[in-house]
Amino acid sequence: EVQLVETGGGLVQPGRSLKLSCVASGFTFNNYWMSWTRQAPGKGLEWVASITNSGGSTYYPDSVKGRFTISRDNAQNTLYLQMNSLRSEDTATYYCTRERPRGLFDYWGQGVMVTVSS
Amino acid sequence: DVQMTQSPYNLAASPGESVSINCKASKSISKYLAWYQQKPGKANKLLIYDGSTLQSGIPSRFSGSGSGTDFTLTIRSLEPEDFGLYYCQQHNEYPFTFGSGTKLEIK
Repeated sequence: EVQLVETGGGLVQPGRSLKLSCVASGFTFNNYWMSWTRQAPGKGLEWVASITNSGGSTYYPDSVKGRFTISRDNAQNTLYLQMNSLRSEDTATYYCTRERPRGLFDYWGQGVMVTVSS
Repeated sequence: DVQMTQSPYNLAASPGESVSINCKASKSISKYLAWYQQKPGKANKLLIYDGSTLQSGIPSRFSGSGSGTDFTLTIRSLEPEDFGLYYCQQHNEYPFTFGSGTKLEIK
């Protein structure tokens, strides 16, 4: 059974940093692209970042480019999202997703909440 | 960016009925449209991709149609577990974008 478990969320002040982790199990992690998607409270879904199975290429929308970095450790079956220069509009539930290239999110974690507020 | 417009915003139906949800892209996305279901306390679920391909394990009462800019998700013979939020998403080009969602409620 595919499982994706996110950790690392919490309350952070604007301008500060936070790093999310996602531990994957139930599939061969290094065979799959992985992604992060987020959902602001009461709002729709927004794709945040993708990484190829080797980690050699990454993709971001303009809203987070230059501030967020997606990375992975295939030996530890773990996906990361480093979030810098956080803004109030980054407040959301962040979901770890397995991705079938390109842009198909076939498994989702339960999500982790990030609140950016002073 | 490709804007995805979903309609209706809310939908109320009874078990056993059929419903349709529409999704319109601001430009052609060929066949590359996916549908997801979101329910409280459960992981989001991929239902349909490439416009009409049923994801493994999804019941055949779910079907998708359309290409270019106009797409439809149809659910036949609604089951109680089908009620929730539905999102469309284009997977044709970066950045991948989602519709604003349709809430399917029990009448």
